[in-house]
Amino acid sequence: GIQVEQSPPDLILQEGANSTLRCNFSDSVNNLQWFHQNPWGQLINLFYIPSGTKQNGRLSATTVATERYSLLYISSSQTTDSGVYFCAVVPRGSNYKLTFGKGTLLTVNP
Amino acid sequence: SAVISQKPSRDICQRGTSLTIQCQVDSQVTMMFWYRQQPGQSLTLIATANQGSEATYESGFVIDKFPISRPNLTFSTLTVSNMSPEDSSIYLCSVEAPGTSYNEQFFGPGTRLTVL
Repeated sequence: GIQVEQSPPDLILQEGANSTLRCNFSDSVNNLQWFHQNPWGQLINLFYIPSGTKQNGRLSATTVATERYSLLYISSSQTTDSGVYFCAVVPRGSNYKLTFGKGTLLTVNP
Repeated sequence: SAVISQKPSRDICQRGTSLTIQCQVDSQVTMMFWYRQQPGQSLTLIATANQGSEATYESGFVIDKFPISRPNLTFSTLTVSNMSPEDSSIYLCSVEAPGTSYNEQFFGPGTRLTVL
């Protein structure tokens, strides 16, 4: 099956810093989503981005489908950004099965 | 998007017992999914539930352990049967919401299960 690798596994930032999270995937995809899991376990949709670039406030994402990677940018980080960031993909031909990476644990210190 | 609720939000259960988790969506959806997240791990798909048909289970998950019902287009249940401490996890349901992007999934708040 498709492999989804996220880096770094852990990241510690001071409030106000910027960061880039990476997601590599091993095959073509129909769908790529970025999620934020808050400390209470809630999974929040950040981006649906199988290709191209999107921005939402301090967050932006870019997926280069031909090179099989996606990047999530967090600017001016806040303590509320802390949590686990997951990348998940639906492989082409799979129709709906979402496969998750192992996530990046982000800690933003005040 | 879709508004998804789950009950219970958390529970502590004794080994050998069963727990049924409910998932309710505010709109009619064709496909509903159940995931498990073991402590410190990523999410793993347990099964896909379509209304009016048997659930489709992923490798490593069986119907006797995780029976699923899908009585209508807005509701599903997952039962965790004959529980052991290894079943302690967060269980999440998700849907492909109508009117959203192709294959885009939205998740419920999760049920945090602890088995003693």
